[in-house]
Amino acid sequence: AQRVTQPEKLLSVFKGAPVELKCNYSYSGSPELFWYVQYSRQRLQLLLRHISRESIKGFTADLNKGETSFHLKKPFAQEEDSAMYYCALSVNAGKSTFGDGTTLTVKP
Amino acid sequence: GAGVSQSPSNKVTEKGKDVELRCDPISGHTALYWYRQRLGQGLEFLIYFQGNSAPDKSGLPSDRFSAERTGESVSTLTIQRTQQEDSAVYLCASSLGLTRGYTFGSGTRLTVV
Repeated sequence: AQRVTQPEKLLSVFKGAPVELKCNYSYSGSPELFWYVQYSRQRLQLLLRHISRESIKGFTADLNKGETSFHLKKPFAQEEDSAMYYCALSVNAGKSTFGDGTTLTVKP
Repeated sequence: GAGVSQSPSNKVTEKGKDVELRCDPISGHTALYWYRQRLGQGLEFLIYFQGNSAPDKSGLPSDRFSAERTGESVSTLTIQRTQQEDSAVYLCASSLGLTRGYTFGSGTRLTVV
């Protein structure tokens, strides 16, 4: 069975510092990986997809098949980045497996 | 519609009663998903609809849970004889396809007392 692990439940950084939210997955094939974000009092929304290799709100994520990781990174964190972040893996007709999430707090 | 719409947003019910949750996906999204999120936990897959194919019900926790979808439109998730452990936020999402990711609704917060 597929599994997504986000080892940090809570992560706190200062404004302007780099931030990395870790995501590891278990799947032997070619996965589709996503990051979702939930800001306070808002609905869960898609942040980025590995297939599009895009940078959204300054965040990037690189799929490392050797390490089975898909860490989310931003070089300079902003206070508005404070939110809950979920990593998700889709391998079978679109059904996704989600990690338990990481709460990011960016302190002023 | 412009987004995925779920109703009601909050539901308090007595143990043993049946509840029905509704999801209106984005028009044209062929795939529709239901997830459950208990307090402090991650998203737990319940059921998945794709077009006219048979739904993937592999995540439904018991036979008290059922869901229907008419074509590519509205879906309803029904929980019969609710139990306190059913208390959670029930999330609906729709998608255009595997690589496109999900668009989520705002969820229904179910509290069983």
